[in-house]
Amino acid sequence: NAGVMQNPRHLVRRRGQEARLRCSPMKGHSHVYWYRQLPEEGLKFMVYLQKENIIDESGMPKERFSAEFPKEGPSILRIQQVVRGDSAAYFCASSPPNRSGNQPQHFGDGTRLSIL
Amino acid sequence: DQQVKQNSPSLSVQEGRISILNCDYTNSMFDYFLWYKKYPAEGPTFLISISSIKDKNEDGRFTVFLNKSAKHLSLHIVPSQPGDSAVYFCAASEVRDDKIIFGKGTRLHILP
Repeated sequence: NAGVMQNPRHLVRRRGQEARLRCSPMKGHSHVYWYRQLPEEGLKFMVYLQKENIIDESGMPKERFSAEFPKEGPSILRIQQVVRGDSAAYFCASSPPNRSGNQPQHFGDGTRLSIL
Repeated sequence: DQQVKQNSPSLSVQEGRISILNCDYTNSMFDYFLWYKKYPAEGPTFLISISSIKDKNEDGRFTVFLNKSAKHLSLHIVPSQPGDSAVYFCAASEVRDDKIIFGKGTRLHILP
């Protein structure tokens, strides 16, 4: 499967625990984006990363949330000390490194995070 | 402050007829517009896009129209098929900015 891979598909955590969401971009893509979708809402941008660099984190909450995209391995979205309001679907998208004009982002199937 | 607005939460269309989904935006710096289709428990799938230098882009049964002066775009699906039943998201971005701004979506029901 050459698509964007996210795991786990479903994640249940209790309040105060940590959540780690993983994303492997499409083959050949080096740009990764994370979005969050609350019920009955559209997707909201959180962070844009390239290998070992955070390019734009303007949509990330200031506390408890962090993201990385190491040289090797998947991108990780980390939520510390989760609260009920963190329950949402988290989507990862990727795009190619050399953008000649506009190119669409391609999305994974998301991780559904539920906080008990 | 919603920069991309889809004012119809849902739309029902008879199979074989034309489906028209509408979208308005407020940010005049947007220059790239996209439509994504989403089934339950799946990620959004890219459908069609249009650059601000064009006013129409067509791909098979899907056509996107852009009216820059009105800050309005629409997606036409003709003829509508049962498999088109899904949530459709309108989205936009600025060429200098890689993030995509999404509307809240319109749920399309294709009736038999």
